[in-house]
Amino acid sequence: AQTVTQSQPEMSVQEAETVTLSCTYDTSESDYYLFWYKQPPSRQMILVIRQEAYKQQNATENRFSVNFQKAAKSFSLKISDSQLGDAAMYFCAYRSAGGSEKLVFGKGTKLTVNP
Amino acid sequence: DGGITQSPKYLFRKEGQNVTLSCEQNLNHDAMYWYRQDPGQGLRLIYYSQIVNDFQKGDIAEGYSVSREKKESFPLTVTSAQKNPTAFYLCASSPTWSSYEQYFGPGTRLTVT
Repeated sequence: AQTVTQSQPEMSVQEAETVTLSCTYDTSESDYYLFWYKQPPSRQMILVIRQEAYKQQNATENRFSVNFQKAAKSFSLKISDSQLGDAAMYFCAYRSAGGSEKLVFGKGTKLTVNP
Repeated sequence: DGGITQSPKYLFRKEGQNVTLSCEQNLNHDAMYWYRQDPGQGLRLIYYSQIVNDFQKGDIAEGYSVSREKKESFPLTVTSAQKNPTAFYLCASSPTWSSYEQYFGPGTRLTVT
């Protein structure tokens, strides 16, 4: 079974600075998807960024980018120019590319942005 | 506006009572999902449905039941058999069962005393 580990329960960053959230996963599959979801205080889950395992190029969405290391099974999220609105829980998630509809989530990292 | 609605946002029940959580989507998505979130935990899959009139158990289905009689609706019943029902419940949908992206509703916080 696949597992997702987020080793940082809490992180903090100064406004306008850069922060990196870590995620590692365990799988025997070669084709899969990885996601970062944001859950603000409203508790609505919002997709931040996704990465297809077959793509070598790291995904980027505006101030959000990932560092995908397939061999190391690592998938970190970098937030540049942090804003107060980035404060939230961030969850890393894994989904098999075939045969399973399930998203496997990590336990989350609480990000605080200090003004 | 297209989206997923869950109602109510907060729900309170006495122990021993069954309670049904609503999930409606107008995105014309085939697949729908129910997740449970506990403090300090990620989301765990309760049930999912790939298509109308079909549903499958997820990782923590015991004490829960679902139905999928209409494409747009996927209600979750928390039965009295669920030992620890107090939690935050999230519904999600995706265009098809093989779509990699899931869209989430705003959630329902259930408190059982």
